[in-house]
Amino acid sequence: GAGVSQTPSNKVTEKGKYVELRCDPISGHTALYWYRQSLGQGPEFLIYFQGTGAADDSGLPNDRFFAVRPEGSVSTLKIQRTERGDSAVYLCASSDRTGRETGELFFGEGSRLTVL
Amino acid sequence: DQQVKQNSPSLSVQEGRISILNCDYTNSMFDYFLWYKKYPAEGPTFLISISSIKDKNEDGRFTVFLNKSAKHLSLHIVPSQPGDSAVYFCAASARETSGSRLTFGEGTQLTVNP
Repeated sequence: GAGVSQTPSNKVTEKGKYVELRCDPISGHTALYWYRQSLGQGPEFLIYFQGTGAADDSGLPNDRFFAVRPEGSVSTLKIQRTERGDSAVYLCASSDRTGRETGELFFGEGSRLTVL
Repeated sequence: DQQVKQNSPSLSVQEGRISILNCDYTNSMFDYFLWYKKYPAEGPTFLISISSIKDKNEDGRFTVFLNKSAKHLSLHIVPSQPGDSAVYFCAASARETSGSRLTFGEGTQLTVNP
């Protein structure tokens, strides 16, 4: 597709369960980002991949959160032992620039996670 | 610690008038600033940006102003159109951070009334 694709668009789970959220970036984009947006807040940075490696994972809130991008394209955000506070919209973005001259990121529509 | 702050959660203007959205930041290392627009159930989309070496950048109906001494930027939309109704996020990045990591404000809901 032409844009960043995220699945599922909605996920409802129970506290303590494991969740995976998938992001398919724009073809050819080397940089991939995960953000989390809670209600009434702006997107909050989680992790940044350049190619296959996590160049910056300083935004991950704790060790229950993990993300991979094994082939430098699709990425999966994994959340273990989910808590109610994890409920948010998880946004994925990609960029075709390794530098930061424009800073323009292309966002997907997000995956809304609800933890009951 | 909210490094990028948008103090107005909402703004309502009449079609054809000017919309002014404001943003303040605290981190003096920020040197690149962007505005994103977000419609419901969609991801944010890039609108306009400005480097800290400039104080103004204009793109059609959209102009961003940067006041570094005040650590303040604003987005002007003129004339405003009903299709501009959306949540607007201010974002910033710093040279020492990797890639294009952005720090976002809380957003301002703009409503343009016909």
